[in-house]
Amino acid sequence: ETGVTQSPTHLIKTRGQQVTLRCSSQSGHNTVSWYQQALGQGPQFIFQYYREEENGRGNFPPRFSGLQFPNYSSELNVNALELDDSALYLCASSSAGGPRDANEQFFGPGTRLTVL
Amino acid sequence: AQSVTQLGSHVSVSEGALVLLRCNYSSSVPPYLFWYVQYPNQGLQLLLKYTSAATLVKGINGFEAEFKKSETSFHLTKPSAHMSDAAEYFCAVSGTRQLTFGSGTQLTVLP
Repeated sequence: ETGVTQSPTHLIKTRGQQVTLRCSSQSGHNTVSWYQQALGQGPQFIFQYYREEENGRGNFPPRFSGLQFPNYSSELNVNALELDDSALYLCASSSAGGPRDANEQFFGPGTRLTVL
Repeated sequence: AQSVTQLGSHVSVSEGALVLLRCNYSSSVPPYLFWYVQYPNQGLQLLLKYTSAATLVKGINGFEAEFKKSETSFHLTKPSAHMSDAAEYFCAVSGTRQLTFGSGTQLTVLP
């Protein structure tokens, strides 16, 4: 069974640029959630994708957007990067529409984004 | 809305001593609660979860947690700390779609 994978592992960008982060969900999982973890803080929910549609969103501006593909993999896109976007971005997959189904979310290793 | 508060951003214990990491939650519905561990430069690994079954939940690596509704708590314990337990620990509560995490507790295990 293949776990959740993310690419790239590290990324350096400058303010104003755009970035795309990628996530492959665990085999058998149809739901992908993205979280932002700033240094010294807990992960914060960005959004969730289920059946290729956004299925819930946290308190993040529209310049954070995403996609889910038919194979359930997902992308997180961030436009007009700001210094505060520097963080570890975590992807999590699960087999239903959310944790209320008691299906735990399996996390990938994350992508470390640095904005200069 | 759901939230969790982790008391103590840093906890140090001696190897072999009891580990106690504190988590209090707030939830408008019966909560599902989780403890995750994060090792340096890695993602989150689930230690254990409470989903309204038994109030004492046993997880991996010898950890357990007890759900106490009257105290709105879900503290994580391990009878005897091992050096390999040094990591950051996050308590989380489930919403309708997402997990809401606490700010984390960094556990240091002293030899």
